[in-house]
Amino acid sequence: NAGVTQTPKFQVLKTGQSMTLQCAQDMNHEYMSWYRQDPGMGLRLIHYSVGAGITDQGEVPNGYNVSRSTTEDFPLRLLSAAPSQTSVYFCASRPTGALNQPQHFGDGTRLSIL
Amino acid sequence: KNQVEQSPQSLIILEGKNCTLQCNYTVSPFSNLRWYKQDTGRGPVSLTIMTFSENTKSNGRYTATLDADTKQSSLHITASQLSDSASYICVVSAISYGNNRLAFGKGNQVVVIP
Repeated sequence: NAGVTQTPKFQVLKTGQSMTLQCAQDMNHEYMSWYRQDPGMGLRLIHYSVGAGITDQGEVPNGYNVSRSTTEDFPLRLLSAAPSQTSVYFCASRPTGALNQPQHFGDGTRLSIL
Repeated sequence: KNQVEQSPQSLIILEGKNCTLQCNYTVSPFSNLRWYKQDTGRGPVSLTIMTFSENTKSNGRYTATLDADTKQSSLHITASQLSDSASYICVVSAISYGNNRLAFGKGNQVVVIP
């Protein structure tokens, strides 16, 4: 049981490049989400999904797109990378409706935009 | 203004000693409060979850308390070990219009030294 798997672990991009951060979970969780973690700040929600085909914006969605074609996968796309998007990105999942269940986090993707 | 405030921001403790971390929140309507442990370079992992009716919850050497009246929580680490060196994140959940909203603290950075 791998839990939540994020790839790549590290990435360096140039300003204006695009890329996709991958997230996959094998726990059959309906709810998946993306966060960014910056120094001196708490985790901030970018986008989330309550099931395949359903996505919604979080606190800081600008510059990011998501899609949810399957229960297992929830990729995060940077359309045109900017230095302000340098951060550590975490994907998380939990069962929908299980509000007292914790989120399971991946180990993050460390992204640097030059 | 962050709705979840954690203190101290960081602390150094000797191996074998106890320590207590604080979390104050203003999030409402309150649903539950969780403490996560985040090792360097890893994703957060849940330690405890407490609902409104619970005022203490233990997980091994970790004991969390909750005072929903004063909106305060603490995480007590007993007989600290080197492996306790990590960031401890307080996360408060609110239910708003049927959606679960999470507010993250910035974390307490704990360093255990031999």
